[in-house]
Amino acid sequence: DAKTTQPPSMDCAEGRAANLPCNHSTISGNEYVYWYRQIHSQGPQYIIHGLKNNETNEMASLIITEDRKSSTLILPHATLRDTAVYYCIALNQGGKLIFGQGTELSVKP
Amino acid sequence: GAVVSQHPSWVICKSGTSVKIECRSLDFQATTMFWYRQFPKQSLMLMATSNEGSKATYEQGVEKDKFLINHASLTLSTLTVTSAHPEDSSFYICSAGMRESPLHFGNGTRLTVT
Repeated sequence: DAKTTQPPSMDCAEGRAANLPCNHSTISGNEYVYWYRQIHSQGPQYIIHGLKNNETNEMASLIITEDRKSSTLILPHATLRDTAVYYCIALNQGGKLIFGQGTELSVKP
Repeated sequence: GAVVSQHPSWVICKSGTSVKIECRSLDFQATTMFWYRQFPKQSLMLMATSNEGSKATYEQGVEKDKFLINHASLTLSTLTVTSAHPEDSSFYICSAGMRESPLHFGNGTRLTVT
């Protein structure tokens, strides 16, 4: 599975959009981009995934560049409860989820 | 849907004893479950892949005789930490999913070995 690169930490003001970038320049054609987050002392929570097209659900939006070498997770109106470590993972369907270091997002009042 | 339950949420045991952790998929059948371990301020590390009705597949460096995995049914996998030592103290997390669906995670088990 392709390696992903994320900034180690980011801050966001409460109520503003949080844009979390992820680079996956070696992603292959059949690898999806998955996003999970982990709130302190809990299990990871699935957020969203996509292959080529942009995706949106009740939690977030996922924007994937046309060349698929990078993506951005958007939390449209961040709240304090969105403070967590966010993981971007590239993998094949049915593959093993291998976690990197993720981005620690701090939402501040 | 897609709820994964883990039990217990925390456990304290004495060095040399064994501890069993259960992972259940509550509203779906999971042919494959995964076990992870997480040390403080570190990311999750995959330990093993648990397949229903067959032997688990362990990641490199994980001792299969120490971390016994049993996936006896499509809704239950267990991880037994045998002869636990203080260095086995960690946060253990399982995940499960159906084919072509995202994996969902339990809320983890905090193991402290004294």
